[in-house]
Amino acid sequence: NAGVTQTPKFRVLKTGQSMTLLCAQDMNHEYMYWYRQDPGMGLRLIHYSVGEGTTAKGEVPDGYNVSRLKKQNFLLGLESAAPSQTSVYFCASSQTRDGYTFGSGTRLTVV
Amino acid sequence: AQSVTQLDSQVPVFEEAPVELRCNYSSSVSVYLFWYVQYPNQGLQLLLKYLSGSTLVKGINGFEAEFNKSQTSFHLRKPSVHISDTAEYFCAVTSDTGRRALTFGSGTRLQVQP
Repeated sequence: NAGVTQTPKFRVLKTGQSMTLLCAQDMNHEYMYWYRQDPGMGLRLIHYSVGEGTTAKGEVPDGYNVSRLKKQNFLLGLESAAPSQTSVYFCASSQTRDGYTFGSGTRLTVV
Repeated sequence: AQSVTQLDSQVPVFEEAPVELRCNYSSSVSVYLFWYVQYPNQGLQLLLKYLSGSTLVKGINGFEAEFNKSQTSFHLRKPSVHISDTAEYFCAVTSDTGRRALTFGSGTRLQVQP
C-alpha cells in the first residue's frame, strides 16, 4: 500500500551536475505530475503526463526534462543543475479529477 | 486557464479562537476545489474537497469550507484552533475539462499562539 514513492528524499548537487528524480506509483493511475515548492509560491507544475509514453509542459518547465516509459514511473531530470533549482519537488498521481495522491517530496539543494 | 489566490500569507491566531483562511479562484468552467495542509518538513495532506452538491464541505480535524460560486470563493474555517493546527494551508483547483493538474495558491501559514 505504498501509494506514491519518491527517491531520493534528499540530495545536494553542485552547479552543473545532472540528476534524475524517480516517482513510482502502484495504483495504476494514468496521470502523473511533477511540482516544485518554493517559499511563498505554493506548488507550481513543472511537467505532467496523461499516460504511458506521453509528457507535457506545465508552468515552469525550463531546465527540466521528463520521461514516462512505464505507466508506474515518472522521471524528472535536471541536465545541468542551477542554484535556482533548489527546491522541494513533489510528485503526484491521479486517475480521476477528484483524487490526487502525493509523494513525500524530495529536498534538492544546488550549491 | 484557472488560478487561485490566497489572500493572506500569514494568519496569527490564539488557541481556541476561530479562524478563516481565504481562497478565491478564477475559472470559466465547473471547478473542483481542494484544501491541503502541510506540517513542517512533511508532505501534503488532504483536508477536504468540493466536487459537487452541498456547498458546505466538512473535512478532517474539525475543518470545513464553503463553496460560493457567485463570489468564486472557497474559504476554510475552524471554530476553535489548537496549537497542533500550526501549519501551511494550500487551496487548489482543477476543472472538469482541460488539463487535470491541480493549480495551487501560494499558501497561508497559520500560526496558533498559546
